[in-house]
Amino acid sequence: GQQLNQSPQSMFIQEGEDVSMNCTSSSIFNTWLWYKQDPGEGPVLLIALYKAGELTSNGRLTAQFGITRKDSFLNISASIPSDVGIYFCAGRLTQGGSEKLVFGKGTKLTVNP
Amino acid sequence: DTEVTQTPKHLVMGMTNKKSLKCEQHMGHRAMYWYKQKAKKPPELMFVYSYEKLSINESVPSRFSPECPNSSLLNLHLHALQPEDSALYLCASSQEGRPGETQYFGPGTRLLVL
Repeated sequence: GQQLNQSPQSMFIQEGEDVSMNCTSSSIFNTWLWYKQDPGEGPVLLIALYKAGELTSNGRLTAQFGITRKDSFLNISASIPSDVGIYFCAGRLTQGGSEKLVFGKGTKLTVNP
Repeated sequence: DTEVTQTPKHLVMGMTNKKSLKCEQHMGHRAMYWYKQKAKKPPELMFVYSYEKLSINESVPSRFSPECPNSSLLNLHLHALQPEDSALYLCASSQEGRPGETQYFGPGTRLLVL
């Protein structure tokens, strides 16, 4: 089945540092989504990307939809303690006439004050 | 308003119990989803409803029974569950279930089966 390879699996950084994480796949996706999930809560949408090459920002977050449509990255600038959580990439693809949202395995971010 | 609400927030049930999880959205979305998420894993799709009709069932055991009474509500009926069914159950919605749409998630129901 389609898989998303998300890396790194976890990151430990100091407050104020920039963070970068990415997702790659052997499949072509028509949408890339980035979510953040806090413990015991549902994923919250951060950024949605709809076109190859698209670069979108949301405050300190920037994400890009790769030109090949097989990858995406998320950058967080000047990290703060509340950035702690698990970040999931998710890609939408059309399979057998139906749409599926495929998730990466997540990147666990720890920010030391 | 991009809120999806779920009740209850926590649920403990025995293997012989029957219970239901509820999900509601008032964004006018016509597609709703149930996901199951185990600890430290990404969400896994269970069911998709589009215009109140079941469009995707990801080979989920029959002890999970979804129901979509109207376009705002989605239920998941639980019966004779197993301890390995303990997980966070997430509801999501999107505009119509068409390509390129964004899914908005609820906070989830944390289920423990004893």
